Amino acid sequence: SAVISQKPSRDICQRGTSLTIQCQVDSQVTMMFWYRQQPGQSLTLIATANQGSEATYESGFVIDKFPISRPNLTFSTLTVSNMSPEDSSIYLCSVSQGAGDTQYFGPGTRLTVL
Amino acid sequence: SQKIEQNSEALNIQEGKTATLTCNYTNYSPAYLQWYRQDPGRGPVFLLLIRENEKEKRKERLKVTFDTTLKQSLFHITASQPADSATYLCALAEYNFNKFYFGSGTKLNVKP
Repeated sequence: SAVISQKPSRDICQRGTSLTIQCQVDSQVTMMFWYRQQPGQSLTLIATANQGSEATYESGFVIDKFPISRPNLTFSTLTVSNMSPEDSSIYLCSVSQGAGDTQYFGPGTRLTVL
Repeated sequence: SQKIEQNSEALNIQEGKTATLTCNYTNYSPAYLQWYRQDPGRGPVFLLLIRENEKEKRKERLKVTFDTTLKQSLFHITASQPADSATYLCALAEYNFNKFYFGSGTKLNVKP
């Protein structure tokens, strides 16, 4: 299994600012993902964080709004840029060793944009 | 369009009964299907994975079935307990894609 930590656990931000969320894993993992979960909704995949190259974004998500870094096999960051109240959500990091493997989730970052 | 559908209404059952949750999908060819449990304020926790060539998988009080003809998975909790109360999510992945897509989840309430 993998133990995942996220920072910050929650934040309240002003409209137009940016927030960077960190995801740290206690072991090297092949795949890292970022999800968004809006209140009462299920998880929506934002992107796959690729080590050493640009992230792969899902439809509806773009790099300018959600830049992602993954400098090594245990760490990734997601930035939510130029925030608006619609970005208020829980952001979750998850990891796996590949298709068909268990996904482990971090505790999430609860973001509120005023 | 692609859809993963779970009952949006909460499932209320009595302690000791079997809970059955449904996951239906459209326009996917899943290689793998997983079930997760999510408690309020926490990230999902993996429960079971079933492959497209498997009909059934069991783990303790949990059982998952996978019918690729019906495009459906059923998730059963036998001898349910109040501690089983949570939201249960299904997620699927297609061949050659190392990522899972999630259904909307079904909230289970087990009453003592």
